[in-house]
Amino acid sequence: EAQVTQNPRYLITVTGKKLTVTCSQNMNHEYMSWYRQDPGLGLRQIYYSMNVEVTDKGDVPEGYKVSRKEKRNFPLILESPSPNQTSLYFCASSLVGPGDTQYFGPGTRLTVL
Amino acid sequence: SQKIEQNSEALNIQEGKTATLTCNYTNYSPAYLQWYRQDPGRGPVFLLLIRENEKEKRKERLKVTFDTTLKQSLFHITASQPADSATYLCALEPNDMRFGAGTRLTVKP
Repeated sequence: EAQVTQNPRYLITVTGKKLTVTCSQNMNHEYMSWYRQDPGLGLRQIYYSMNVEVTDKGDVPEGYKVSRKEKRNFPLILESPSPNQTSLYFCASSLVGPGDTQYFGPGTRLTVL
Repeated sequence: SQKIEQNSEALNIQEGKTATLTCNYTNYSPAYLQWYRQDPGRGPVFLLLIRENEKEKRKERLKVTFDTTLKQSLFHITASQPADSATYLCALEPNDMRFGAGTRLTVKP
């Protein structure tokens, strides 16, 4: 089944404790991206990647890192999480670029205490 | 500044009626615009894409219009059903995808 998977789905952590949210797609898509969704603000892009080893900042990259070593995986790294990073995170992928149909993962709800 | 505004946070309509959702944008010149559906606790699901040279696009009970002069897209669901209740997001493309905050549609039986 074609899908985007994220892990974990739920995470509660404390300020400053490094964490990684994994994202994987099995559709051989070149484009992958991370969004955060907050009430009233909608989806905001954190980082995106046009292909392996190519990543770029989105609207709200501060406090986040990403890597794209393999086509299928695009992990999101929070080196030192803070409470303002409490949010619902979505990974998405599309065939070539952002204008193609984006397939979203199920989301990761992160709480930073 | 650049903005994407969806007409209201919430829209309630009666089953069988047509739901019309609005997406207005400022200081963008998108080549295309997309609409997504999002159910609570789940990721958005793509519905329709309309390009700047297309006035209207249809898919089953869904219709999207795109007016680049007014900088507005309208999303219609005809013969609405309770199963259409969800949040609908518009997204447009400058270089990456920018999303509106969404409109939560509730269709009452």
